[in-house]
Amino acid sequence: QVQLQESGPGLVKPSQTLSLTCTVSGGSISSGGYYWSWIRQHPGKGLEWIGYIYYSGSTYYNPSLKSRVTISVDTSKNQFSLKLSSVTAADTAVYYCASAPDYNYFDYWGQGTLVTVSS
Amino acid sequence: QSVLTQPPSASGTPGQRVTISCSGSSSNIGSNYVYWYQQLPGTAPKLLIYRNNQRPSGVPDRFSGSKSGTSASLAISGLRSEDEADYYCAAWDDSLSAYVVFGGGTKLTVL
Repeated sequence: QVQLQESGPGLVKPSQTLSLTCTVSGGSISSGGYYWSWIRQHPGKGLEWIGYIYYSGSTYYNPSLKSRVTISVDTSKNQFSLKLSSVTAADTAVYYCASAPDYNYFDYWGQGTLVTVSS
Repeated sequence: QSVLTQPPSASGTPGQRVTISCSGSSSNIGSNYVYWYQQLPGTAPKLLIYRNNQRPSGVPDRFSGSKSGTSASLAISGLRSEDEADYYCAAWDDSLSAYVVFGGGTKLTVL
């Protein structure tokens, strides 16, 4: 069974770049067939899909965040990462990484990590 | 404002059957599969139903999904206290800005 674990700073200053990494265990990112995704949840709110990367490096982002998002993969470390630039308080959320057997749903999720944007 | 519309709350007593609705449009539910996630308090979401009505291994058959036109439903029969959670529907949206869309979530309370 695939397991995912998010890591990164819990506090980011406004206008800076949020950077998170997801470490995958129990499966290889490079084996193919999966889309590796990021999803966020604002405090007390619903879920928002951020984007995904395929093992080949192909990416697809939520159009509302596309101009600020970069998702990359490091197959040697079995990790994928999220960078969100020019953050504001509105980006304060719990960020989840997840595996997606198809481009439109998520079967395994990390536990999530709270990122607060504040000076 | 979520693209998919769910009632904010639902409730039932143990043993009852409850349904949670999810309304969308022709660009999402009307032309793509619907998925359901369960989020227990303080935990990450968990896949509950995929491709409209399929249950992942380990999900009890008390949970079932259906879809008709641009709407979908999640039914929970034999309601149990441990079913108290937030439930989210999701689908791919084929509009000009194609992406995964979620419902706003329904908080299920077991009375």
